[in-house]
Amino acid sequence: DSGVTQTPKHLITATGQRVTLRCSPRSGDLSVYWYQQSLDQGLQFLIQYYNGEERAKGNILERFSAQQFPDLHSELNLSSLELGDSALYFCASSVNPGGAYEQYFGPGTRLTVT
Amino acid sequence: GENVEQHPSTLSVQEGDSAVIKCTYSDSASNYFPWYKQELGKRPQLIIDIRSNVGEKKDQRIAVTLNKTAKHFSLHITETQPEDSAVYFCAASLNEKLTFGTGTRLTIIP
Repeated sequence: DSGVTQTPKHLITATGQRVTLRCSPRSGDLSVYWYQQSLDQGLQFLIQYYNGEERAKGNILERFSAQQFPDLHSELNLSSLELGDSALYFCASSVNPGGAYEQYFGPGTRLTVT
Repeated sequence: GENVEQHPSTLSVQEGDSAVIKCTYSDSASNYFPWYKQELGKRPQLIIDIRSNVGEKKDQRIAVTLNKTAKHFSLHITETQPEDSAVYFCAASLNEKLTFGTGTRLTIIP
């Protein structure tokens, strides 16, 4: 157990809908990262927050947004969902900002869009 | 941005033998190289990492080597065991972003 928690574990929804994924970092970690893992595309970095502020952006679609709250938990919002958004969504956390520090992954949320 | 290539995509080795997975990266400014192990349906777990100022790092049966000149790094697993079967991902850090390789599915044959 990495200490990073994610809810829900599974999510099934229809195209066009909006969902919110939640992540709580390890105690003491200020940075949260979101990744998408599709069967054929590996782990893709979406976005990073550090202490409430957006720190770095990857290949995140405009239909997706995220935020980090004062208690350091983070939410990833996915809207106008398409079949291709079906994937595992992981969040990870680290003590410091930037990619050059150990990142610990949560158990992931499996999103299925039908 | 950074581009990471990982080979092979699948690897089968006899239990007790060694396994080697190789990655190359494109940007010489990348400075941190972690390796993750992911079992089916589970989270990626950090197993070892190396920074650009170090050439080699070992942790029991696992070692990572880094060649900055050639821009490649490798994972070495010795005395493989059935529980080593998993997908292994390399990654490189550039400008605060981790870019992952496409993964290697390692199967240990009893």
